[in-house]
Amino acid sequence: DADVTQTPRNRITKTGKRIMLECSQTKGHDRMYWYRQDPGLGLQLIYYSFDVKDINKGEISDGYSVSRQAQAKFSLSLESAIPNQTALYFCATSDLQGSGELFFGEGSRLTVL
Amino acid sequence: AQKITQTQPGMFVQEKEAVTLDCTYDTSDPSYGLFWYKQPSSGEMIFLIYQGSYDQQNATEGRYSLNFQKARKSANLVISASQLGDSAMYFCAMREGGRGSTLGRLYFGRGTQLTVWP
Repeated sequence: DADVTQTPRNRITKTGKRIMLECSQTKGHDRMYWYRQDPGLGLQLIYYSFDVKDINKGEISDGYSVSRQAQAKFSLSLESAIPNQTALYFCATSDLQGSGELFFGEGSRLTVL
Repeated sequence: AQKITQTQPGMFVQEKEAVTLDCTYDTSDPSYGLFWYKQPSSGEMIFLIYQGSYDQQNATEGRYSLNFQKARKSANLVISASQLGDSAMYFCAMREGGRGSTLGRLYFGRGTQLTVWP
């Protein structure tokens, strides 16, 4: 089983719908992140959390919200999805004591029609 | 300003040849880390190599090496003896601050699409 698991892996939805992407990890890391990947733009940070009580906005947090339900779980919500939120979404973790290397989930491909 | 710049949207290399993927970075923090990730067409992100700003030697991991030129703020990835399976998108990334820094997050470049041909 993957150390960082994202669900769903693929989702097609309609404009205006609420969507939740879930992430769970078995690595025991305190730090968790949500990134978005668009073609030609690399990965952009949406939100990050350094522990259960800590939530921080990244560069592109507008239109998104997150919840850190437990050390191992970090979910990303789109309250009212719009077509330009169509992208590949990655959850990642890192170890406080490590180099900062990110350990990625397999990605969630979201299409908003 | 971009913290990570990858100026090569696409690169082509023949199998068994070496290839260099360029990466420049921008930070005023004396302590930072540099990373390279590979993303094959299947989409997953695979960590390749890491270089700390205070590391004296260039990092190497198998066929991957990182050509770290601190004064030029460059961290180029060198892949030796390219293989067909090296065809993928490659991302350079940077952590500002020391290990465990509360700054924590990584900044990514836009990536370079590498194609290896037979």
